[in-house]
Amino acid sequence: EAGVAQSPRYKIIEKRQSVAFWCNPISGHATLYWYQQILGQGPKLLIQFQNNGVVDDSQLPKDRFSAERLKGVDSTLKIQPAKLEDSAVYLCASSNRLAGIYNEQFFGPGTRLTVL
Amino acid sequence: SQQGEEDPQALSIQEGENATMNCSYKTSINNLQWYRQNSGRGLVHLILIRSNEREKHSGRLRVTLDTSKKSSSLLITASRAADTASYFCATDGMDSSYKLIFGSGTRLLVRP
Repeated sequence: EAGVAQSPRYKIIEKRQSVAFWCNPISGHATLYWYQQILGQGPKLLIQFQNNGVVDDSQLPKDRFSAERLKGVDSTLKIQPAKLEDSAVYLCASSNRLAGIYNEQFFGPGTRLTVL
Repeated sequence: SQQGEEDPQALSIQEGENATMNCSYKTSINNLQWYRQNSGRGLVHLILIRSNEREKHSGRLRVTLDTSKKSSSLLITASRAADTASYFCATDGMDSSYKLIFGSGTRLLVRP
């Protein structure tokens, strides 16, 4: 079974530029998550999708961050414009929680973003 | 805000020794999970313990859960250099839509 794919793996941009990350979840997983992980901290949930609908985006800085999952499969996360404090690893995860109530999540390798 | 807080923040042991990490959380949970993260990689699920369970084993891993104290511990027995990683607990709260809230992690170094 293929895992969660993310691209790019690394991105360096200057502040005020835009950047986009892509995620392809495990086939058949209806739930998709984007996390932000700042160095030395645990992942923080930015947004959760169930199919192509948003379940939770309470911690997404909506003035600069946006995410979509148009066909209920792939997802993109965009930052526009980027700030220095956005430097972090952006992790995508998926789960098949409809198969049961126990929410094991499968993570991609992440995209390491550096904002200069 | 992060629900789980791991203790210690960092741990260094010799290969073959046991490693114990603790996690405390604040609100009622459906289950608690432990994940491992190798440097530069994504997280890997290790073990899940449900709120009505007290102890669970998986290979060299032993997890305990004390819901009265809102705490959990992860024990890795006979550690190996390959166990060097960061370990995170994550809680699946009863008031959340299957949203996991991660702690800040314990960085484990196993010296050969």
